[in-house]
Amino acid sequence: GQNIDQPTEMTATEGAIVQINCTYQTSGFNGLFWYQQHAGEAPTFLSYNVLDGLEEKGRFSSFLSRSKGYSYLLLKELQMKDSASYLCALSPTGSSNTGKLIFGQGTTLQVKP
Amino acid sequence: ETGVTQSPTHLIKTRGQQVTLRCSSQSGHNTVSWYQQALGQGPQFIFQYYREEENGRGNFPPRFSGLQFPNYSSELNVNALELDDSALYLCASSSKRGGNTGELFFGEGSRLTVL
Repeated sequence: GQNIDQPTEMTATEGAIVQINCTYQTSGFNGLFWYQQHAGEAPTFLSYNVLDGLEEKGRFSSFLSRSKGYSYLLLKELQMKDSASYLCALSPTGSSNTGKLIFGQGTTLQVKP
Repeated sequence: ETGVTQSPTHLIKTRGQQVTLRCSSQSGHNTVSWYQQALGQGPQFIFQYYREEENGRGNFPPRFSGLQFPNYSSELNVNALELDDSALYLCASSSKRGGNTGELFFGEGSRLTVL
């Protein structure tokens, strides 16, 4: 099975950089997703890592190390609107399903002025 | 292109009742999956539908069932409601079967409260 761990809460200052970590224990997976979820809203896709390394997309970057069972989401130049929950999720192998993701509990990020 | 829409947005039921939640998938998407999200937790996979058949199920009892229609819209039915069923129910659509490479597009959810 899969076990995904993220910090429950983080606080950062507007304009700063924050790194949200995700560790996992799994027998295998296709790739790792990061989603953003504002309170009361739908999760929205941020990034997807299949291979080890860094994927950069504007102010957001995501890193994956399969050997270490570790990923992080890096948010630069924080803005107040970045206050949200950030969800790490794995897509399991051995399945023909595209709709099944295993989510961590999410990290609630609060950005302060 | 229309996004994923869900109805109702909020509803209150009592223990033992039954509930039906509805989802219209994003235009062009043929796969729908349902998730349960308890307060302060990440979403948990309930099941997925593709070509009107259940195609993968998470660790949920049989009283959680679903349907997918020819237009790819879907329903989630929960019988014999329990207090622990209180949660946000999210529908997600995607367009590719096999390989888990496609991102999911989520609706804003149906918040169910069981009293």
